Amino acid sequence: AQKITQTQPGMFVQEKEAVTLDCTYDTSDQSYGLFWYKQPSSGEMIFLIYQGSYDEQNATEGRYSLNFQKARKSTNLVISASQLGDSAMYFCAMSHDRGSTLGRLYFGRGTQLTVWP
Amino acid sequence: DAGVTQSPTHLIKTRGQQVTLRCSPKSGHDTVSWYQQALGQGPQFIFQYYEEEERQRGNFPDRFSGHQFPNYSSELNVNALLLGDSALYLCASSLGFSNQPQHFGDGTRLSIL
Repeated sequence: AQKITQTQPGMFVQEKEAVTLDCTYDTSDQSYGLFWYKQPSSGEMIFLIYQGSYDEQNATEGRYSLNFQKARKSTNLVISASQLGDSAMYFCAMSHDRGSTLGRLYFGRGTQLTVWP
Repeated sequence: DAGVTQSPTHLIKTRGQQVTLRCSPKSGHDTVSWYQQALGQGPQFIFQYYEEEERQRGNFPDRFSGHQFPNYSSELNVNALLLGDSALYLCASSLGFSNQPQHFGDGTRLSIL
């Protein structure tokens, strides 16, 4: 079974500062994708950023970037210049690129980020 | 460009009843997946539909069933509702049977009394 671990139940950051949300994963496969989603209190799940297991460069998307360390099986999300609207639950997820579970997302338990003025 | 739409937004049922949730995928997407998110947990995969067939299924009982229509929209049916079925049900769509990023709807919040 695949396992996603987010060890930080909650994180606090001051507006305009950067914050790192941790995520480790466990898989025996070599080909997979890693995703981060944001879920505000309203409930919708918003896709933020994707990293392929064979990508040599860390993914970036605006203020979001990933610190991907394949050997350590970790993919930490870095949010730069935090904004009040970044306050939400953040989920790390993984899916396989092939096989019977292709495209199925496995989620962690999430990290609640609070941005304060 | 319409995103993923789900209906209804909220639903209240009693134990033993049956429920049908609906999902229209994002424009251009043809694959639909359903997830259950209990309070304080991450979403759990229920099943995935592509080309009107169930392609894979998570660890959910047969009380959970689904369907995909020719226009790619999908339904999730749950029979003999239990208190533990209370959750946010999320629909996600993507392009092709692949590992492309999935886009989610706002969810249906189901409460069982």
